[in-house]
Amino acid sequence: GNSVTQMEGPVTLSEEAFLTINCTYTATGYPSLFWYVQYPGEGLQLLLKATKADDKGSNKGFEATYRKETTSFHLEKGSVQVSDSAVYFCALRDYGGSQGNLIFGKGTKLSVKP
Amino acid sequence: DAGITQSPRHKVTETGTPVTLRCHQTENHRYMYWYRQDPGHGLRLIHYSYGVKDTDKGEVSDGYSVSRSKTEDFLLTLESATSSQTSVYFCATTGDTGELFFGEGSRLTVL
Repeated sequence: GNSVTQMEGPVTLSEEAFLTINCTYTATGYPSLFWYVQYPGEGLQLLLKATKADDKGSNKGFEATYRKETTSFHLEKGSVQVSDSAVYFCALRDYGGSQGNLIFGKGTKLSVKP
Repeated sequence: DAGITQSPRHKVTETGTPVTLRCHQTENHRYMYWYRQDPGHGLRLIHYSYGVKDTDKGEVSDGYSVSRSKTEDFLLTLESATSSQTSVYFCATTGDTGELFFGEGSRLTVL
């Protein structure tokens, strides 16, 4: 079945450090891939997405490239800020599935220290 | 902002009591979802709806039922709450882009 595996946290970085959160997936079809972010006390919100192989999603300085050959969609940011502290979720939607709902990874908590 | 409102936002109840969580959306989105979020599990789909009176089970549907009598409202009911249903519940809807829009969550504690 479809699944998403992302690196376990928590991840603690100093401000301006480089961030990578690994995400790999298993899917039977041709999924769209997403990164969602959840700030404390809030619901999830879309950070970026990519709908086909080699697409790069980007937003707020974050980037992720859809790599079909390695079934990966790693999240990166060159210089994190304290305000980036949140939980990050990788997700996929396989349009070949029965309802096309999103399947989420378990989340990675990021803490950025000043 | 997809205009998703969940109520109640916080609830404490006792084992064996019925609980209903409400999700209201103002975007006329066809698809609506209920997820639960637990440490170490991420988000897991409980039930979803693809139209008025059209619902189906998700990954963790045991102990839950749903109803959708109007496009804008999607109710999640725990007929007899158990401690294992202590969780944060999120409602979500899907627009034309396939993006999920989430409510702010309902924190349920079952004692």
